[in-house]
Amino acid sequence: AQSVAQPEDQVNVAEGNPLTVKCTYSVSGNPYLFWYVQYPNRGLQFLLKYITGDNLVKGSYGFEAEFNKSQTSFHLKKPSALVSDSALYFCAVRDMTDTGRRALTFGSGTRLQVQP
Amino acid sequence: KAGVTQTPRYLIKTRGQQVTLSCSPISGHRSVSWYQQTPGQGLQFLFEYFSETQRNKGNFPGRFSGRQFSNSRSEMNVSTLELGDSALYLCASSLGSGMSTDTQYFGPGTRLTVL
Repeated sequence: AQSVAQPEDQVNVAEGNPLTVKCTYSVSGNPYLFWYVQYPNRGLQFLLKYITGDNLVKGSYGFEAEFNKSQTSFHLKKPSALVSDSALYFCAVRDMTDTGRRALTFGSGTRLQVQP
Repeated sequence: KAGVTQTPRYLIKTRGQQVTLSCSPISGHRSVSWYQQTPGQGLQFLFEYFSETQRNKGNFPGRFSGRQFSNSRSEMNVSTLELGDSALYLCASSLGSGMSTDTQYFGPGTRLTVL
């Protein structure tokens, strides 16, 4: 079975400071990892994904994520936070070896609050 | 390219009724997945359709069903509504190429309230 943990319900950061939203995963095989963002009353918006290759993945709106296989983590980062980044962030995983299952397993979400 | 569209955006129903939600995927996408989002359970997978066939199913009762049409549009139906069915129902489309690397793109959701 696959699972995702987002240990922080909320992350607070001042505008202009770097931000990190944590995610750890568990899969039987190798993972495909995704980050999505959800603004109020909206669906999920795709930010970035890790398939294979470089451990540092760059995505939309200046976000990047670092894949660490030994720590089974896929933390989302941004060098300089904006107030407009305030939203709910979801990490998701799919087991690469489970080709019959394309459903994503999501973490519980982390609310990012960026203060002016 | 237009994104995933879902209709209606908001629905209010009473217990025991049934409801049908609709989803139009991104043009060229052949796979449609449905998820339920609630504050208590988070995001949970309902089912996935590809080429008018259900390819995967989550752990939901038989009251939840879906179908996909030849143009890839999908509908989901919930019969005999319960209070606990109140949720945001999200539809996601992907190419459906069979590759697990497919990215799912989500619609804005349908907010269902059961009274």
